[in-house]
Amino acid sequence: GESVGLHLPTLSVQEGDNSIINCAYSNSASDYFIWYKQESGKGPQFIIDIRSNMDKRQGQRVTVLLNKTVKHLSLQIAATQPGDSAVYFCAENRSSNDYKLSFGAGTTVTVRA
Amino acid sequence: DTEVTQTPKHLVMGMTNKKSLKCEQHMGHRAMYWYKQKAKKPPELMFVYSYEKLSINESVPSRFSPECPNSSLLNLHLHALQPEDSALYLCASSQEIWAGELFFGEGSRLTVL
Repeated sequence: GESVGLHLPTLSVQEGDNSIINCAYSNSASDYFIWYKQESGKGPQFIIDIRSNMDKRQGQRVTVLLNKTVKHLSLQIAATQPGDSAVYFCAENRSSNDYKLSFGAGTTVTVRA
Repeated sequence: DTEVTQTPKHLVMGMTNKKSLKCEQHMGHRAMYWYKQKAKKPPELMFVYSYEKLSINESVPSRFSPECPNSSLLNLHLHALQPEDSALYLCASSQEIWAGELFFGEGSRLTVL
């Protein structure tokens, strides 16, 4: 079926290392992708987005990579900090009559001191 | 002001009670959303309002009744809920329906006894 999913449900990272969170999608019609961060007890918070006409976008300490050939999305966090511990969701949107934002299963990132 | 405010933060209710969840945004957004999120799961879409009109109802049981009194407010009326309805209820808004980033509130944690 058409869905957005994550390769790993959990990721443990040493403080100061770089983190890579992966996401696979199956609908080639998807043209807009968002990464959200959800800390414990809070709502999802926008991190970064990318449209399908791009393959890379950088923000502050974060980079999103989009590989449309293999339908793969990744979020890279540089110099991971304790405050980065959270659940990360990728979400896809499609510009069609049936468009709506679909969330992946989420990856729980734990930063080790 | 880039906030979506939800009240109450926590709600405990019995199966025969009637209660309401409230959501407010002052960003001039014309689309507002209700999501339900169970523990360790991604948010699931319930309802979408666009220009104060209900656009999407994801086959939600009638014991959940949404209301959009004006462009800044979104309510979710609850009646005769079941224990399995216990979850985090998230409100979100966006400039237009499914256009760009969704801004989420902190959520209302609902427990049905």
